[in-house]
Amino acid sequence: SAVISQKPSRDICQRGTSLTIQCQVDSQVTMMFWYRQQPGQSLTLIATANQGSEATYESGFVIDKFPISRPNLTFSTLTVSNMSPEDSSIYLCSVAGYRSEKLFFGSGTQLSVL
Amino acid sequence: GQQLNQSPQSMFIQEGEDVSMNCTSSSIFNTWLWYKQDPGEGPVLLIALYKAGELTSNGRLTAQFGITRKDSFLNISASIPSDVGIYFCAGQLSPNQGGKLIFGQGTELSVKP
Repeated sequence: SAVISQKPSRDICQRGTSLTIQCQVDSQVTMMFWYRQQPGQSLTLIATANQGSEATYESGFVIDKFPISRPNLTFSTLTVSNMSPEDSSIYLCSVAGYRSEKLFFGSGTQLSVL
Repeated sequence: GQQLNQSPQSMFIQEGEDVSMNCTSSSIFNTWLWYKQDPGEGPVLLIALYKAGELTSNGRLTAQFGITRKDSFLNISASIPSDVGIYFCAGQLSPNQGGKLIFGQGTELSVKP
């Protein structure tokens, strides 16, 4: 499995500010995804990060709120924009393994918005 | 939309006991995955199942892909304190349904030494 490094591991942010989360993988991967895990909840897919093109967002998530970059096959960023307390969650980067259905996750970013 | 019903939501057991949890859905899945999440960490893949009826073991863990392709279970035998965590099932939809992974709500396991 790939080694996925995600940072920051946690942050406390003020309402109205933005935070960019970085995800670095130790090998080239085809598929990279961003998930959100709200407190005590399961994982919800935010978007698929596409290399060289705009991310594909799931219903309920928009690019203005969660802009994503993926400049190459090993790196992606997720920005949480104009944050509110409702954005307090764990944000997780994941990559698809050899069989694309097998996902591996980074350690996550614990975000608290005051 | 598609949903996975994972049960139980939580379990409190004694060290050494066996544990069983399951996921069911009204949708058919091509693949079932089971993950464990420790506090402050991302989910770690435990077992992947690719065929209906498949039974796969990973140490003390055993998981099965239901014959109807709509359910899966995970068993943990002889539990130990480090088994504590949240266990998630995930099912992958068929390509013509988007091929996405859908996650269950999780089973929180507590093990008393």
